[in-house]
Amino acid sequence: GDSVTQMEGPVTLSEEAFLTINCTYTATGYPSLFWYVQYPGEGLQLLLKATKADDKGSNKGFEATYRKETTSFHLEKGSVQVSDSAVYFCALNRDDKIIFGKGTRLHILP
Amino acid sequence: DAGVIQSPRHEVTEMGQEVTLRCKPISGHNSLFWYRQTMMRGLELLIYFNNNVPIDDSGMPEDRFSAKMPNASFSTLKIQPSEPRDSAVYFCASSFDRVREQYFGPGTRLTVT
Repeated sequence: GDSVTQMEGPVTLSEEAFLTINCTYTATGYPSLFWYVQYPGEGLQLLLKATKADDKGSNKGFEATYRKETTSFHLEKGSVQVSDSAVYFCALNRDDKIIFGKGTRLHILP
Repeated sequence: DAGVIQSPRHEVTEMGQEVTLRCKPISGHNSLFWYRQTMMRGLELLIYFNNNVPIDDSGMPEDRFSAKMPNASFSTLKIQPSEPRDSAVYFCASSFDRVREQYFGPGTRLTVT
């Protein structure tokens, strides 16, 4: 069945470092791909999305490109801030549902 | 827009008691989802509704769990009787159309002692 695999955390970086969180997916057809972020004590929020191959989603300095050839949707940010500390979920939509990865916890040190 | 509203935000109850969690989706959204999040199992989809009709409840753990959506602006998730292993954060999410992105509420943290 369809699935999403993302790198295990926690990931710890210093402020202003470059961030990459890897995400690969298995799916039939061409699902839409998402990154959600969950800040402490809150629900998940949509961070960005891409609906077809080669689309780039971007928001708040984060970017991810839908790579059909490598079935990947890696999340990147050029310079992270302490406020980016959160759990990040990669996800795809399949029929009526969204299938989430297990989440990657990110810690940014000042 | 107020976003998805859930109540209560925190619930502490004793084993065997009935627990009712409530959700108000974003106005105009026609799909509603209930999730459970724990450290061990991560985020699990319990049930979802489309146009107030339950479409898939295969994620509901057992008969102690039930969910209703009497109208487009309100849904409940009930656990009766509750057990300590039901302790988790329960999220409600809504979307416009089943395949669009989902908008999550702040969650209800349930503790069953």
